[in-house]
Amino acid sequence: EVQLLESGGGLVQPGGSLRLSCAASGFTFSSYAMSWVRQAPGKGLEWVSAISGSGGSTYYADSVKGRFTISRDNSKNTLYLQMNSLRAEDTAVYYCAKERDIVVVPAAICDYWGQGTLVTVSS
Amino acid sequence: DIQMTQSPSSLSASVGDRVTITCQASQDISNYLNWYQQKPGKAPKLLIYDASNLETGVPSRFSGSGSGTDFTFTISSLQPEDIATYYCQQYDNLSFTFGPGTKVDIK
Repeated sequence: EVQLLESGGGLVQPGGSLRLSCAASGFTFSSYAMSWVRQAPGKGLEWVSAISGSGGSTYYADSVKGRFTISRDNSKNTLYLQMNSLRAEDTAVYYCAKERDIVVVPAAICDYWGQGTLVTVSS
Repeated sequence: DIQMTQSPSSLSASVGDRVTITCQASQDISNYLNWYQQKPGKAPKLLIYDASNLETGVPSRFSGSGSGTDFTFTISSLQPEDIATYYCQQYDNLSFTFGPGTKVDIK
């Protein structure tokens, strides 16, 4: 059974940093691209970042480019999102999600999602 | 950047009704369009990918169509468990934009 479990969310001050983790199980983690998608309270979904299965290619939304870094450790079956220079508008539930198919370039067609972790940026 | 619009933003329908949601892209995205369902407090669930392909395990009352800039999502016979917000999402050119969502309620 595929499982994705996010952790690392919490309250952080504006300008601060936080690292999210997503522990994956039930599939060959290194074969699949992964994405982070966020949802601000009461708002819609926003794709944040994606990474290829090998970790060699990464992709970012303009809103986080230069501040967030996606990475993965395939030996630990874990996906990460390092978030720096956090702003109030980064407040959201952050979901990690698995790509449906084994693809070279992510398409953010996500068939499994974690339960989400809440990041609150506030002083 | 490609912008996505959805209409309506919300709708109320009776059990058994046919429900249709439209999604429009700001430029041609071929069939690079997915539909997700999100229930309150839950993660999104993939229903339709590549505009018209039903995800495994998803009931056949859900369907999608369209290509280019105009897409349609249909629930052929609304059920109480379909109460949710539905999002379209495009994935053209390594940009993965979601539509604003359509909230579906039971009348």
